[in-house]
Amino acid sequence: GNSVTQMEGPVTLSEEAFLTINCTYTATGYPSLFWYVQYPGEGLQLLLKATKADDKGSNKGFEATYRKETTSFHLEKGSVQVSDSAVYFCALSDPNNAGNMLTFGGGTRLMVKP
Amino acid sequence: NAGVTQTPKFQVLKTGQSMTLQCAQDMNHEYMSWYRQDPGMGLRLIHYSVGAGITDQGEVPNGYNVSRSTTEDFPLRLLSAAPSQTSVYFCASRGQEKGATEAFFGQGTRLTVV
Repeated sequence: GNSVTQMEGPVTLSEEAFLTINCTYTATGYPSLFWYVQYPGEGLQLLLKATKADDKGSNKGFEATYRKETTSFHLEKGSVQVSDSAVYFCALSDPNNAGNMLTFGGGTRLMVKP
Repeated sequence: NAGVTQTPKFQVLKTGQSMTLQCAQDMNHEYMSWYRQDPGMGLRLIHYSVGAGITDQGEVPNGYNVSRSTTEDFPLRLLSAAPSQTSVYFCASRGQEKGATEAFFGQGTRLTVV
């Protein structure tokens, strides 16, 4: 079956530090890949996505590149802010699965200190 | 712009009680789903629906029932609550286009079973 593995947190950084959150996946088909973000007390929001190999998704200074050869979709940001403190989820959707539902990783909590 | 609306936001149940978590979306999405979020385990799919009258089981369906009588509503029923069902529950909807369609999430229901 499909699965997503992401680095465990919490990740604690100082403001303006570089961020990487690792994500690898296992899928039978050619999935689409997503990063969702969850701010305290809220639901999940789409941060960025990529639909095919070598695609780069980007939003709000965050980037991730769909690497089929390493089955990875690592999230990066060059300079984090306190407002980026949240839980980040890597996810995939596999068109071979009925309903095309999302499969999530375990989530990584990011804490950014001033 | 209501999006996905979940009620209630918080609920405390006694073991053995039943209840229904409500979910409604106003985006005319065909796909709807219920997830539970537990620490370190990400979001796990409980049940999903690909359209009115069609539902199917996800990864962790035991103890839950769903129905989809309209496109807008997708309630989740707990038949006889157990402490293991203490969790945060999220409803999500997405359009019919396969692959990269963004999923929209409600704000969640925090359920405690004592």
